[in-house]
Amino acid sequence: GQQVMQIPQYQHVQEGEDFTTYCNSSTTLSNIQWYKQRPGGHPVFLIQLVKSGEVKKQKRLTFQFGEEKKNSSLHITATQTTDVGTYFCAGRGSGDKLTFGTGTRLAVRP
Amino acid sequence: DAGVIQSPRHEVTEMGQEVTLRCKPISGHNSLFWYRQTMMRGLELLIYFNNNVPIDDSGMPEDRFSAKMPNASFSTLKIQPSEPRDSAVYFCASIGTSPSTDTQYFGPGTRLTVL
Repeated sequence: GQQVMQIPQYQHVQEGEDFTTYCNSSTTLSNIQWYKQRPGGHPVFLIQLVKSGEVKKQKRLTFQFGEEKKNSSLHITATQTTDVGTYFCAGRGSGDKLTFGTGTRLAVRP
Repeated sequence: DAGVIQSPRHEVTEMGQEVTLRCKPISGHNSLFWYRQTMMRGLELLIYFNNNVPIDDSGMPEDRFSAKMPNASFSTLKIQPSEPRDSAVYFCASIGTSPSTDTQYFGPGTRLTVL
């Protein structure tokens, strides 16, 4: 079945440093979504990418979908303590089923 | 909009007991998903329904787990008998009908502890 891996599993950065998490799918995706889960909370939708090579920005967050629609990345510029949490990518093959990635946990030192 | 509602928020039970988790999706959403989250296995899809019909239950770990969706506004996930390894946070999520609304909205989760 479809597998979605993320690297790194965990990253600890100094506030103000940049952060990137990478997502790789074993199969081609129709679209990919990104979610953020704060400690003790539930996953919250951030964005969806649909087109090959698509790049979207949300303030300090930049999301990219690979040309072959099998990988994606999330880059945070100048991290803040409010960015702390686990970031999940979720790939959609066909139908409604999303396969969530393994997640990257971000810790930020103030 | 109240969002996805789950109950209970916390459940502590003893091994062998029956556990029932409940979910009320967002009104108008026609797809509902049950997930389990643990440190070891991450976020796993257990089962999902479309228009109250189970579509994919391949993630249900074993026969001790069952899920129902008797109507568009209510779903249950039952574990009988429960075991310590079932301890996890169980999330319910729902999505609407059109591609522009296929964001999954998660409930707050039920933290289950089986002693």
